[in-house]
Amino acid sequence: DVKVTQSSRYLVKRTGEKVFLECVQDMDHENMFWYRQDPGLGLRLIYFSYDVKMKEKGDIPEGYSVSREKKERFSLILESASTNQTSMYLCASSDSHMIEAFFGQGTRLTVV
Amino acid sequence: DAKTTQPPSMDCAEGRAANLPCNHSTISGNEYVYWYRQIHSQGPQYIIHGLKNNETNEMASLIITEDRKSSTLILPHATLRDTAVYYCIVRGAGGTSYGKLTFGQGTILTVHP
Repeated sequence: DVKVTQSSRYLVKRTGEKVFLECVQDMDHENMFWYRQDPGLGLRLIYFSYDVKMKEKGDIPEGYSVSREKKERFSLILESASTNQTSMYLCASSDSHMIEAFFGQGTRLTVV
Repeated sequence: DAKTTQPPSMDCAEGRAANLPCNHSTISGNEYVYWYRQIHSQGPQYIIHGLKNNETNEMASLIITEDRKSSTLILPHATLRDTAVYYCIVRGAGGTSYGKLTFGQGTILTVHP
């Protein structure tokens, strides 16, 4: 079974902290994605990566950065967390054919 | 990518077929129709996709109209575990839209005993 694992299920951070959300996939997938999900707004794409060290902005990249140093790992970084970044964060991966995206369980981040 | 329109919610009796509609009237020739679902507290799960032919797999069937402006996802024998939010997504096969899955609000399907 393809597995996409997010490092934390729940996270509480303080305003201004630097926050790292980690995602690891075990299927040698080329593509990896970070989404956030908010009530009434659905899932919105933050960043995606189609190869190691490559990244593309999604629809809402402001306030976020990403890192992909190894193929299996895609990190989402909040340089200075703010309360409006309180959300559910979902990581996904897919192979180069992009037929199916596999999602992790999500990280519920609360910024206080 | 083309925009999709889905009803906000639907109900279905357990054991019956659930037919979830989706309108995508601005779909272009090389765009695929994808369906995902999200069960409460989990990440979205791929169900099925198609271009213009009807498709069937172990989870569901996808019926795409001949003009491709709408489609229907069919769960042939709905169970309580099929209660979820169902997303219809149109995605391009290349260019800048490649790889981007744009999720709308979806349809909340509730399966009743």
